Amino acid sequence: AQRVTQPEKLLSVFKGAPVELKCNYSYSGSPELFWYVQYSRQRLQLLLRHISRESIKGFTADLNKGETSFHLKKPFAQEEDSAMYYCALSDYNTDKLIFGTGTRLQVFP
Amino acid sequence: SQTIHQWPATLVQPVGSPLSLECTVEGTSNPNLYWYRQAAGRGLQLLFYSVGIGQISSEVPQNLSASRPQDRQFILSSKKLLLSDSGFYLCAWSITRGTGELFFGEGSRLTVL
Repeated sequence: AQRVTQPEKLLSVFKGAPVELKCNYSYSGSPELFWYVQYSRQRLQLLLRHISRESIKGFTADLNKGETSFHLKKPFAQEEDSAMYYCALSDYNTDKLIFGTGTRLQVFP
Repeated sequence: SQTIHQWPATLVQPVGSPLSLECTVEGTSNPNLYWYRQAAGRGLQLLFYSVGIGQISSEVPQNLSASRPQDRQFILSSKKLLLSDSGFYLCAWSITRGTGELFFGEGSRLTVL
């Protein structure tokens, strides 16, 4: 069964510290993985997708099929990065997007 | 450009009363439509999704139902609300066979008393 696991409910760091939000998945086929972000009082929106291999707002995420992980990283956290982050997996056959439970990132000044 | 709207934004209903949350998409045709429930500690739970008019897939057994009477309209309903139906409901759309990017509405907070 498809599953996305985010083990941390809350991650607190100081500004300038490195950040790593963990995400592990379970999927029988070749996964497509995403990170979504929800800033305070804003809509949930796509942050990045693994297939694009892009860096958005300084964040990157590498798909590790051996470890079935897709951790989100940023070398130097900023206060404006404080938000709720969701890892998600796309089921190609059904177009469904399956989300993890989310991690709240708090960046202190 | 495409937009998505859902309403009402907040709703307080007594147990046993009916529910209707509505979602509409503009600026696109034949979108995939989704209803999610967002709960603290439980993340985003997919409730229903639809790939076309009248085509609804239910992901979890529950007290809710969904309908898609028009291409860009998606309705979440209940005949009799339970306390456990309280939560934050999100509607979303994506292009058919798309890239996995969902576009979310503003959300509807339902409180059942």
